[in-house]
Amino acid sequence: KQEVTQIPAALSVPEGENLVLNCSFTDSAIYNLQWFRQDPGKGLTSLLLIQSSQREQTSGRLNASLDKSSGRSTLYIAASQPGDSATYLCAVTNSGYSTLTFGKGTMLLVSP
Amino acid sequence: DTAVSQTPKYLVTQMGNDKSIKCEQNLGHDTMYWYKQDSKKFLKIMFSYNNKELIINETVPNRFSPKSPDKAHLNLHINSLELGDSAVYFCASSQNGQGLHFGAGTRLSVL
Repeated sequence: KQEVTQIPAALSVPEGENLVLNCSFTDSAIYNLQWFRQDPGKGLTSLLLIQSSQREQTSGRLNASLDKSSGRSTLYIAASQPGDSATYLCAVTNSGYSTLTFGKGTMLLVSP
Repeated sequence: DTAVSQTPKYLVTQMGNDKSIKCEQNLGHDTMYWYKQDSKKFLKIMFSYNNKELIINETVPNRFSPKSPDKAHLNLHINSLELGDSAVYFCASSQNGQGLHFGAGTRLSVL
């Protein structure tokens, strides 16, 4: 059974710092991996989708990497801003029609 | 223009009642899902439908009954609501598992 772990559970940084969020999964036979952002009391916003054949994806200040063989992904946020404060969730799919298995998230607080 | 829309956004009801949550997606996706986010914010799959057919049914009490009248809709009916059903329920959709799009969630409070 796939299990997804995210470290750290919470992170507080001053504005402007570069930071890395970690995600690991137990079954490396994944179909794809997705990073989401969830603001308090809100739904999930998809940030990046990495296919199993890819090593990384970039969107603006965000860069997500995938090392399937070691069961790890990282989300790199450059030049963090207070507006980046949210919970970041990592999730993997094991086949095209299987469902996402989520980690418990990293709660990020960026202070001005 | 909302891609995945759920109604209602908030639902407050008494224990023992029956309630429904509706979900619609206008993305043309072939697969729809219901997820439950508990008080500890952990997201777990409940059901998945592909082209109106149930393909995944996790360990969910049979008081929960999903219904998919067409590919664009997946509704969730809950009978005999219990206190432990209080959570946020998220609908999502995808095409061939290529990235899920989530609705804004329905916050259910059972009193």
